[in-house]
Amino acid sequence: NAGVMQNPRHLVRRRGQEARLRCSPMKGHSHVYWYRQLPEEGLKFMVYLQKENIIDESGMPKERFSAEFPKEGPSILRIQQVVRGDSAAYFCASSPPTSGGYLYNEQFFGPGTRLTVL
Amino acid sequence: GDSVTQMEGPVTLSEEAFLTINCTYTATGYPSLFWYVQYPGEGLQLLLKATKADDKGSNKGFEATYRKETTSFHLEKGSVQVSDSAVYFCALTPAGGNNRLAFGKGNQVVVIP
Repeated sequence: NAGVMQNPRHLVRRRGQEARLRCSPMKGHSHVYWYRQLPEEGLKFMVYLQKENIIDESGMPKERFSAEFPKEGPSILRIQQVVRGDSAAYFCASSPPTSGGYLYNEQFFGPGTRLTVL
Repeated sequence: GDSVTQMEGPVTLSEEAFLTINCTYTATGYPSLFWYVQYPGEGLQLLLKATKADDKGSNKGFEATYRKETTSFHLEKGSVQVSDSAVYFCALTPAGGNNRLAFGKGNQVVVIP
């Protein structure tokens, strides 16, 4: 069973360009999370999605950032008009559907996409 | 809001030494607590977890006990190996089923042969 896949692993953009980061969850997982890791910082939650629905986007910047998880295909984190402050590692995690009485499902992380904005 | 605090700075120690990484948290109710490990160039891997007070999580020789009275979840290992060199993150999910993780800043651990 392949793990969470992210691509590209490294992405270089110039200021003002768009960045698209892709995440393919583990097989059978319908929940996807995006986190951002700034230099010398821990990971910060950005958004939580289920298929075709955004469940919690409270960690997303209000402008330029958007995320989707369509019925078919990977989840996409899109950053428009990138700025140098967007340079970071972006991690995706997935978890299976909540079952029974579980309040927590383990999140499995991908290797991350390292975005560099020149 | 919910938050996690880890001790400052990297940790450098010799092989077979005892490792402790401190972690304290701020949260309402009874969050679930986790330690994640990140090896160079890789994503985070769950190392261990505890979901209620006084639970002890353990894996690969690492242990951490959920201490509600001190709001702590310190990570320990009795005898580290060079292969334990990595970044260790303490994290929590809030009580009540919100599944998002709140992370500490992480500690770089370097084990010298």
